Amino acid sequence: AQSVTQLDSHVSVSEGTPVLLRCNYSSSYSPSLFWYVQHPNKGLQLLLKYTSAATLVKGINGFEAEFKKSETSFHLTKPSAHMSDAAEYFCVVSEIGATNKLIFGTGTLLAVQP
Amino acid sequence: GAGVSQTPSNKVTEKGKYVELRCDPISGHTALYWYRQSLGQGPEFLIYFQGTGAADDSGLPNDRFFAVRPEGSVSTLKIQRTERGDSAVYLCASSPTVRVGNTGELFFGEGSRLTVL
Repeated sequence: AQSVTQLDSHVSVSEGTPVLLRCNYSSSYSPSLFWYVQHPNKGLQLLLKYTSAATLVKGINGFEAEFKKSETSFHLTKPSAHMSDAAEYFCVVSEIGATNKLIFGTGTLLAVQP
Repeated sequence: GAGVSQTPSNKVTEKGKYVELRCDPISGHTALYWYRQSLGQGPEFLIYFQGTGAADDSGLPNDRFFAVRPEGSVSTLKIQRTERGDSAVYLCASSPTVRVGNTGELFFGEGSRLTVL
């Protein structure tokens, strides 16, 4: 069965410094992987997705993620944090076969300090 | 509407009561999903509709939970004999295609927060 593990429940960075949110996946097949963001009192929004094309995926708001099969990782990065990036971030894998079920990690809460 | 609409945004009920949560998906989206997000957890899949039929209800925790989508648009999640453990945010999402694994984009509503006292 597919699963994702988010290694940090909380990450705090200063504004203008890099962001790294870590995610490891478990899958028997080449997975489809995603990052979603949830701002307070807002719906979940897709940041970016990997679906077996380029391993470096660029998303919205300057975020990107790199699929590394050898490390079974899909870490989310951003060169310079902005105050508006403060939110909860979810690493997600799509279940093989059903193609309709998304399996979410437990989330990483990103705090950005001024 | 422009996005997925869920009502009510907040619902407080007493243990043992019946609750209905409504989801109005984006117009034209054929696929509709219900997820449940407990405090400190990621969303967990409950049920998925393709059109009017429930294509996968494997995530429903027990027979107190039921969902319908009679006309292939609006969906209602129904919870009977509510328990304190049912307290969570219930999220609805829709998608224009069934092959989410290829696009990854579900469009989520803001959720209905259910509190069972």
